[in-house]
Amino acid sequence: EVQLVESGGGLVQPGGSLRLSCAASGITFSNYAMRWVRQAPGKGLEWVSSITGRGDRTFYTDSLKGRFTVSRDNSKNTLYLQMNSLGAEDTAVYYCAKVGDYSCMDVWGKGTTVTVSS
Amino acid sequence: QSVLTQPPSVSAAPGQKVTISCSGSSSNIGNNYVSWYQQLPGTAPKLLIYDNNERPSGIPDRFSGSKSGTSATLGITGLQTGDEADYYCGTVDSLRGWVFGGGTKLTVL
Repeated sequence: EVQLVESGGGLVQPGGSLRLSCAASGITFSNYAMRWVRQAPGKGLEWVSSITGRGDRTFYTDSLKGRFTVSRDNSKNTLYLQMNSLGAEDTAVYYCAKVGDYSCMDVWGKGTTVTVSS
Repeated sequence: QSVLTQPPSVSAAPGQKVTISCSGSSSNIGNNYVSWYQQLPGTAPKLLIYDNNERPSGIPDRFSGSKSGTSATLGITGLQTGDEADYYCGTVDSLRGWVFGGGTKLTVL
């Protein structure tokens, strides 16, 4: 069974940094692109970032303005999201998802909550 | 404002049928595959439909998808109270990476 488990969320002050992790099991991790998706309280889903299976190409939603960096360690079956210069607008549940056939997201983690507040 | 447009809410009685629309453009739906996601209250999203109209293993055939031009539609027949959830469409966008619809809240009356 494929499982994705996010961790690293928490309360952080405005301007602070946080690194999220997503541990994968049940798959040959390096074979699959991965995505981060977030959901602000009471709001819809927002795609944040994507990374290819080898980690050689990364993509981000325009609104991040270069504050976030996605990476992966295929030897550890783990996906990361480094988040810097955090603001209140980054408060959300962050999900990692595996990219499946036809670019869909076929497996999702349960999410980790990030709260940016003083 | 989402790139893909969905109705904020739909409702129907148990046993009835409902459709949820998702409208986009040539940079997204018009030239890419659409997927649909179900998010039950307090849980993570779950893949419902991929490749416009394909169901993953374990998804009942009460759920169906279709696409025409720059629009897609999710259909749910034989509505059950357990279908009450938020539903999102999503697809690749050649200008923006990946885009979701704003989500549609389904109420089973």
